[in-house]
Amino acid sequence: DGGITQSPKYLFRKEGQNVTLSCEQNLNHDAMYWYRQDPGQGLRLIYYSQIVNDFQKGDIAEGYSVSREKKESFPLTVTSAQKNPTAFYLCASSTRGQQMNTEAFFGQGTRLTVV
Amino acid sequence: GENVEQHPSTLSVQEGDSAVIKCTYSDSASNYFPWYKQELGKRPQLIIDIRSNVGEKKDQRIAVTLNKTAKHFSLHITETQPEDSAVYFCAARNNQGGKLIFGQGTELSVKP
Repeated sequence: DGGITQSPKYLFRKEGQNVTLSCEQNLNHDAMYWYRQDPGQGLRLIYYSQIVNDFQKGDIAEGYSVSREKKESFPLTVTSAQKNPTAFYLCASSTRGQQMNTEAFFGQGTRLTVV
Repeated sequence: GENVEQHPSTLSVQEGDSAVIKCTYSDSASNYFPWYKQELGKRPQLIIDIRSNVGEKKDQRIAVTLNKTAKHFSLHITETQPEDSAVYFCAARNNQGGKLIFGQGTELSVKP
């Protein structure tokens, strides 16, 4: 069953703790993205990666970190430095390349709540 | 930096009417413009996309138009149905295959 999978679906975190959200894809996509979704604010880009061992900050990278050690995986860590981490997080992947701007596929999302 | 502005934020239409959602982008290097539909509690899914070498694209009741000079693109839904009710997002990506930037979303409500 091909696709992009995020886990867990729901995550609760105590203030001051770091948490890591998982994103795995078996679509052989080079590019992967992390977005944060808040009501009325659309999808805001946190980090993106176009190739293994390389990634770039998006518009709201502060308080987050990522790694891209494998093509299939792009985990997102929400650190204690993120002041308002409660949100819905979406991971996406797509092919890359100047001539191949193709569809980005999304995972089902992780809803993070700070308690 | 790159930015995509989307309007309106909410749109309510009667079943059978048309709906239009508009977006503008700031990065002149953008050359790929997808539209996504997100139903409540679900992930966004692509409904139509357009590349910069095309001015208009249509797929059944859905069409997208692109004006590169004005950096403006629009989604048109004709003969709307209640199942079209959802949040719609426009997006833009540049020719380096880099950032995929989304608009703020439009919540479309189709009343029977």
